[in-house]
Amino acid sequence: QVQLQESGPGLVKPSQTLSLTCTVSGGSISSGGYYWSWIRQHPGKGLEWIGYIYYSGSTYYNPSLKSRVTISVDTSKNQFSLKLSSVTAADTAVYYCARGRGGDQDFDYWGQGTLVTVSS
Amino acid sequence: DIQMTQSPSSLSASVGDRVTITCRASQSISSYLNWYQQKPGKAPKLLIYAASSLQSGVPSRFSGSGSGTDFTLTISSLQPEDFATYYCQQSYSTLGYTFGQGTKLEIK
Repeated sequence: QVQLQESGPGLVKPSQTLSLTCTVSGGSISSGGYYWSWIRQHPGKGLEWIGYIYYSGSTYYNPSLKSRVTISVDTSKNQFSLKLSSVTAADTAVYYCARGRGGDQDFDYWGQGTLVTVSS
Repeated sequence: DIQMTQSPSSLSASVGDRVTITCRASQSISSYLNWYQQKPGKAPKLLIYAASSLQSGVPSRFSGSGSGTDFTLTISSLQPEDFATYYCQQSYSTLGYTFGQGTKLEIK
């Protein structure tokens, strides 16, 4: 059974960089065929896809966030990470990591989510 | 980017009812449409992928249909555990995978 777990600071100051890591267990990121994504949900709102990374390191980002987002992968640790720079209060959200299946690009496994608050 | 519009935004129904939720895309997305269920404080759960394929482990009372721009999620006989928020998601455009705004299904 694949499991994903987000980790990182729950509070980030405005203008700083938000950094989160997703640890994958029960399956290998290097096995291929899956796209490892970050998705966020503003409080009481809908879902916003941030971007994904393939095990090879190729990435794709939501154009609305592209200038501030970096997603990286560490296959040796079976982890992938999100960095979002120059954060504002509008970046306060629950951040989820998820596995996207190649082809249909649906998200079949999700982490539990972690709330990140941007505040001074 | 492709906009996804769900209707209704909220819905009240009773246990045993048949319920249909609609999702419309701003342009054709073929069958690249997925449905999720989210309960408060939990991550979304994949129900239907590729418009009409039932995810493993999901009860058969859930079904999906449609192609192009118009899609539906149907729950044939509502159970108490089905009261939740439902989201559609298009996976057609790599310019950005977008979700609908959600449909909150409440107990009448």
